Amino acid sequence: GAGVSQSPSNKVTEKGKDVELRCDPISGHTALYWYRQSLGQGLEFLIYFQGNSAPDKSGLPSDRFSAERTGGSVSTLTIQRTQQEDSAVYLCASSPHEGRRNEQFFGPGTRLTVL
Amino acid sequence: ELKVEQNPLFLSMQEGKNYTIYCNYSTTSDRLYWYRQDPGKSLESLFVLLSNGAVKQEGRLMASLDTKARLSTLHITAAVHDLSATYFCAVEYYGGSQGNLIFGKGTKLSVKP
Repeated sequence: GAGVSQSPSNKVTEKGKDVELRCDPISGHTALYWYRQSLGQGLEFLIYFQGNSAPDKSGLPSDRFSAERTGGSVSTLTIQRTQQEDSAVYLCASSPHEGRRNEQFFGPGTRLTVL
Repeated sequence: ELKVEQNPLFLSMQEGKNYTIYCNYSTTSDRLYWYRQDPGKSLESLFVLLSNGAVKQEGRLMASLDTKARLSTLHITAAVHDLSATYFCAVEYYGGSQGNLIFGKGTKLSVKP
């Protein structure tokens, strides 16, 4: 596909369970980002991967959150021991990160509901 | 760290009217992006502004960037209902710990007949 894809599109889980969210970036894009958006709110930066560099994890809200990016492509965001306040839409974006243009292209998001 | 402020945060307009959304930022940057988000949808790129004085237009929307004033504007001309959405500006910045696109809180635009 031509765009960023995310799966699942919706996830309902019980408090205390672990969840994994997946992001497939646009082929060839070296940068990948995760954001969280609560209902009616702006974007909260979580983590940023750029090529083979160490990721910028400065936005992760707690040690229950982690992310990895395998082979410079697919990324997985893992939330352990989910809490109700983790309920939000999790957006992934990728960017070519080349030259003077670092526009981010967003996926459709995963809506996470923690009961 | 860079701060990005949009105003207004909520805007209710009548069809046919003109209005401007403002995006101010606190530290030097010469690259700014505008995105649109429809309810329940993801963000869609609208404009990429890469230098001082850049102006881009698409239909009834026009965006401009003044890097000296640290200000971008999104001007809406003769609004129509289809423009109802939330609009985000994002400033490219590498000096902080927020990733390299710092987003404003968004302006929720509602265009009424």
